[in-house]
Amino acid sequence: GQQLNQSPQSMFIQEGEDVSMNCTSSSIFNTWLWYKQDPGEGPVLLIALYKAGELTSNGRLTAQFGITRKDSFLNISASIPSDVGIYFCAGHWNSGNTPLVFGKGTRLSVIA
Amino acid sequence: GAGVSQSPSNKVTEKGKDVELRCDPISGHTALYWYRQSLGQGLEFLIYFQGNSAPDKSGLPSDRFSAERTGGSVSTLTIQRTQQEDSAVYLCASSRPSGGYGYTFGSGTRLTVV
Repeated sequence: GQQLNQSPQSMFIQEGEDVSMNCTSSSIFNTWLWYKQDPGEGPVLLIALYKAGELTSNGRLTAQFGITRKDSFLNISASIPSDVGIYFCAGHWNSGNTPLVFGKGTRLSVIA
Repeated sequence: GAGVSQSPSNKVTEKGKDVELRCDPISGHTALYWYRQSLGQGLEFLIYFQGNSAPDKSGLPSDRFSAERTGGSVSTLTIQRTQQEDSAVYLCASSRPSGGYGYTFGSGTRLTVV
């Protein structure tokens, strides 16, 4: 099946630093989404991207849908302790009627 | 309801027993998905229900796994003759009928097979 390669697997950063993570695929994806999962909870949608080249911000978060439609990145600026969690990229490689494919996640730790 | 509700939140079962996991989606969401999250892994798709269409079962790992959705609402994931490798968090999500965008996930059921 379709796979998303997400990197890095984990990050340890100081509070206040910026963070960048990305996701790539060998196939074209029509939609890219970024989720965050807190311990003991399900993933929560952060940002959704629907068009190649689209750059979208949500507070301190910025994400882009790559021009080739095979990659996406998520940036977090000025990290704070509550940014700790697992971040997942996800996408639809077909129409919206196919289930989302998820990356394996980036585990973010913030050192105060 | 206001969110996706899953029960139980935790389940410990003996190897070989059957288990049933329940998901109550958001009212009005016609699409319902089951995913499995093993320790340190991403989300593995299991099965997808969309309205009255036949479910997409392509992600079920073996014939010990099955799911049904009654009345287009509540769904039950059943695992028969559980094995230790079935231990994982089972996540349910629902979405609006307009497509798969923006799933809302429940908090999951943590299944431990001993």
